[in-house]
Amino acid sequence: DADVTQTPRNRITKTGKRIMLECSQTKGHDRMYWYRQDPGLGLQLIYYSFDVKDINKGEISDGYSVSRQAQAKFSLSLESAIPNQTALYFCATKTSTEAFFGQGTRLTVV
Amino acid sequence: QKEVEQDPGPLSVPEGAIVSLNCTYSNSAFQYFMWYRQYSRKGPELLMYTYSSGNKEDGRFTAQVDKSSKYISLFIRDSQPSDSATYLCAMSAVGNYGQNFVFGPGTRLSVLP
Repeated sequence: DADVTQTPRNRITKTGKRIMLECSQTKGHDRMYWYRQDPGLGLQLIYYSFDVKDINKGEISDGYSVSRQAQAKFSLSLESAIPNQTALYFCATKTSTEAFFGQGTRLTVV
Repeated sequence: QKEVEQDPGPLSVPEGAIVSLNCTYSNSAFQYFMWYRQYSRKGPELLMYTYSSGNKEDGRFTAQVDKSSKYISLFIRDSQPSDSATYLCAMSAVGNYGQNFVFGPGTRLSVLP
């Protein structure tokens, strides 16, 4: 089993719909991250969390929210999806020297 | 100017070629430098890391850091089709537990048999 698991792997949703992407990890790390990846832009940080009570905005948090339900679970929500949120989304955990990524969720907003 | 710049490619080379992948950065506080490899439909995975300046070799891969020029490189010798992937550089300052990694946009490499 993967150390960092994302669900769903693929999702197509309509403009205006609320959608949640889920992430769980078995590595026991405190730090968890959500990134989006777009061609030519690389990985952009959306939100990150150092523990259940510590949530921080990244560089592109507008239009997104997160919930850290437990040390192992970190979910990302799009409250009202728009087409320019179409992207590949990655959850990651991190030590001081390495980031561990999930397989990614390909989200398409039509 | 982005904090980390990387030639997005794509880069196509024949099998056996030497490949050079490069990143430049602007933050002089960066001291920890990494290369991640991302295969299609997968998440990135750490390939190599190095602290401060100098070279580090691991098999066919060599990571090089020139802090005076704010420039890092990854060299792949005897490239193989299995090396075809997107390569992302990443870096951070050290000494701060909460320090996040800053990623380059990635270079897509194709090694042709």
